[in-house]
Amino acid sequence: DSGVTQTPKHLITATGQRVTLRCSPRSGDLSVYWYQQSLDQGLQFLIQYYNGEERAKGNILERFSAQQFPDLHSELNLSSLELGDSALYFCASSASGGLQYFGPGTRLTVL
Amino acid sequence: AQSVTQLDSQVPVFEEAPVELRCNYSSSVSVYLFWYVQYPNQGLQLLLKYLSGSTLVKGINGFEAEFNKSQTSFHLRKPSVHISDTAEYFCAVSGGGADGLTFGKGTHLIIQP
Repeated sequence: DSGVTQTPKHLITATGQRVTLRCSPRSGDLSVYWYQQSLDQGLQFLIQYYNGEERAKGNILERFSAQQFPDLHSELNLSSLELGDSALYFCASSASGGLQYFGPGTRLTVL
Repeated sequence: AQSVTQLDSQVPVFEEAPVELRCNYSSSVSVYLFWYVQYPNQGLQLLLKYLSGSTLVKGINGFEAEFNKSQTSFHLRKPSVHISDTAEYFCAVSGGGADGLTFGKGTHLIIQP
C-alpha cells in the first residue's frame, strides 16, 4: 500500500459525458501527478500540481483539467469524453521532486 | 526532452534462471532513473531508484540495476527469478524537480516453470 488513494476504482460512462477522478496523496506530500495508461500510448504524464498550484504539464488534452485543493487532494476532470479516453488513470504523490508513489488507479471505460 | 527505450516488449525466462531487462534513456540533463513493476490489475510499485551516488542500485524482491552514464543505460537484473515475478516492468526517467516521469513502453516478464 503506497498511501495514495484514488476513487472510484472503476468508472463506466458514455461518449460526450464528463467525469471527475479523485486522488488523495500520501500524508505530508505536497506534489500530485496524474498519468494516463492506455494500450496505444503507454504510460503518459498529464499534469503536476504542487501545494495547490500547477507546476508542470505533459500530454494533457484541452478537454482535461485538474486542480489541487487546500487539503492537498486533487481532482482530474475529463469532459466531452471519447472512446479513446478509455484508460487507466493513475495519481502519484511525492514529498520532493524525485520519488513518486502511485495510487491503485481508476479504470475509465467510455462506451 | 527525455525519452526511454525498453528494447524488449516480452522476455520469457525459466524459473530460477537469471534475467536482465534492458533500458536505455536519452536526456540533455542529469537524470533520476527508476524501475517500476505492475502486477496484473494493480498499480505501479517502485522497485528501485537511482538518484545519485553508487551506480549499482539494489531494490526490493532481489532486483538490482546498474546506471551506466556512458552507455545511457539502466538495465534491471535478478539472479534467479520466481513465478511471482511475472509482471510488467517499466523503466522511467525524470529530470528531477517538477518533472513528471517519462516511461518506457514496458517489458512483460514471463516466467516459465
